[in-house]
Amino acid sequence: DSGVTQTPKHLITATGQRVTLRCSPRSGDLSVYWYQQSLDQGLQFLIQYYNGEERAKGNILERFSAQQFPDLHSELNLSSLELGDSALYFCASSVAVGRVTGELFFGEGSRLTVL
Amino acid sequence: GESVGLHLPTLSVQEGDNSIINCAYSNSASDYFIWYKQESGKGPQFIIDIRSNMDKRQGQRVTVLLNKTVKHLSLQIAATQPGDSAVYFCAGSETSGSRLTFGEGTQLTVNP
Repeated sequence: DSGVTQTPKHLITATGQRVTLRCSPRSGDLSVYWYQQSLDQGLQFLIQYYNGEERAKGNILERFSAQQFPDLHSELNLSSLELGDSALYFCASSVAVGRVTGELFFGEGSRLTVL
Repeated sequence: GESVGLHLPTLSVQEGDNSIINCAYSNSASDYFIWYKQESGKGPQFIIDIRSNMDKRQGQRVTVLLNKTVKHLSLQIAATQPGDSAVYFCAGSETSGSRLTFGEGTQLTVNP
């Protein structure tokens, strides 16, 4: 158990809909990262937050947004969903303030299926 | 930008053999690398890391080798066990970056 909690574990929805994925980082970790893993693909970095502030942005679509709340949990909002958005979405946390020089702790992921 | 890739998408070994998984990176500014293991249905788990001021680092049954000249790193697993069957990812971090860039993964299958 990494200590990172993600909900829901599975989500099935239709095209055009909007969903929210939730992540609780490990106790004490201030950085939260979101990654997308499509079928048979590696992990694509989406976005990072540190202590409530956006720190780095990857290939995140404009239809996607995220935020980190004062209690440090984070949410990833996916809107106007398309079939291609079907993927595993991972949240990870770390103690890192800036650049990553240590381990990222990953949650078990949220599997999104868009029909 | 950063690009991290793997040489082989799959690797099949016999139980007890040593496994070697390779990874290439393109960005000379990358100076920190991590290997992750992802079992089916689970999130990636940290295996071992290495900084660019080192060329070798050993853990329990695992060794990471870094060759900065050819921008290559490898993960060696000694006495591979069935529980080692998983997808292995290498990931790199740039000097000024706060993200890890992952390769596409190698599926390791250990045959009994």
